[in-house]
Amino acid sequence: GQQVMQIPQYQHVQEGEDFTTYCNSSTTLSNIQWYKQRPGGHPVFLIQLVKSGEVKKQKRLTFQFGEAKKNSSLHITATQTTDVGTYFCAGPMYDSGNTPLVFGKGTRLSVIA
Amino acid sequence: DSGVTQTPKHLITATGQRVTLRCSPRSGDLSVYWYQQSLDQGLQFLIHYYNGEERAKGNILERFSAQQFPDLHSELNLSSLELGDSALYFCASSVARGSNSPLHFGNGTRLTVT
Repeated sequence: GQQVMQIPQYQHVQEGEDFTTYCNSSTTLSNIQWYKQRPGGHPVFLIQLVKSGEVKKQKRLTFQFGEAKKNSSLHITATQTTDVGTYFCAGPMYDSGNTPLVFGKGTRLSVIA
Repeated sequence: DSGVTQTPKHLITATGQRVTLRCSPRSGDLSVYWYQQSLDQGLQFLIHYYNGEERAKGNILERFSAQQFPDLHSELNLSSLELGDSALYFCASSVARGSNSPLHFGNGTRLTVT
């Protein structure tokens, strides 16, 4: 099955700084999803990207899907303490068919006030 | 509240024992997924059921088994437990059969094997 690689593993930022996490796959993804897991919580769906080159925004969060549909990024502008958590990308396990999602290892974001 | 219910919340047991984790999906969701989360491995996909049928298996050990019942709730059975099985086990549900719809996660069951 496919794997999605995510970097960095950890990121510490000062409140107000920007943050970006990257997700890469060796094969083309039909879609990619992003989740956030707060400390002690469960993953919560943020967004799904489907189209090549797609860019979606949610307030201070910007999600991008690469032209080749092999990579994606999540950018947070002016981080706040409420952004603390682990951000996961997830893609289909196999190239075709109805397949489960496999998750990257996540990027754990710490925000220093 | 995701609408996905997992019980128990915590489970402490000894090596060699067997436990059952339970999951009730969101109303209307036919797919149930099980994931294992340990510190170093992120979210590892274990198994997927759709409307009572097994659809896909991931890195699930032979000591582990699962099923989805006619009322769509699911159980994950872990047997001959080892220390390395200690982890957070999440159940997630979705309305569709595959990866094109979002997953809704339960609060997880934290398993500690001593």
